[in-house]
Amino acid sequence: GQNIDQPTEMTATEGAIVQINCTYQTSGFNGLFWYQQHAGEAPTFLSYNVLDGLEEKGRFSSFLSRSKGYSYLLLKELQMKDSASYLCAVMDSNYQLIWGAGTKLIIKP
Amino acid sequence: SAVISQKPSRDICQRGTSLTIQCQVDSQVTMMFWYRQQPGQSLTLIATANQGSEATYESGFVIDKFPISRPNLTFSTLTVSNMSPEDSSIYLCSVVMGDYQETQYFGPGTRLLVL
Repeated sequence: GQNIDQPTEMTATEGAIVQINCTYQTSGFNGLFWYQQHAGEAPTFLSYNVLDGLEEKGRFSSFLSRSKGYSYLLLKELQMKDSASYLCAVMDSNYQLIWGAGTKLIIKP
Repeated sequence: SAVISQKPSRDICQRGTSLTIQCQVDSQVTMMFWYRQQPGQSLTLIATANQGSEATYESGFVIDKFPISRPNLTFSTLTVSNMSPEDSSIYLCSVVMGDYQETQYFGPGTRLLVL
């Protein structure tokens, strides 16, 4: 079966760095996505990785290792507004998105 | 990305009634999706709606319960029929965009409460 694993909840301190991991087992691979979702709002697109390596976009970076079925989202200089759920999703061979359950990130002052 | 709007943004409905949710996009898109997200859970795909063809439903979702229309490349509707409290959820439409039609962008969602 297809499976996406990410931690349920993480806590970090304002100004610090946090890494949210995602491991996957899917039927084929056509890219991995990270979305941010604030409570009560729709998911917003953060990043897309299809090749191995690190993609940096401001305070957020996303890493992919296809051989390991592994990705992480790195958030630097954490701000209170970064408190949200972070969803990992993988596009399988049928171009369907397989969604993880999301990681709730709590930022403390 | 696209500007996606949904109507209504929220509603409270009585069991046994039906609600039609509209999704409007500011540009033409081939693929649109309808998702459900129940409180504290991740997204569940209901169906894929492509213009000019019947919607494709995921396991556990049927056309009689969730009829979908896709009359053109900028608009779609999802109807939640014969509602029960278990249908209380956020309903989201999304569209695919990007250089390789790979990235999904979401509408703001419709928050439905069924009493």
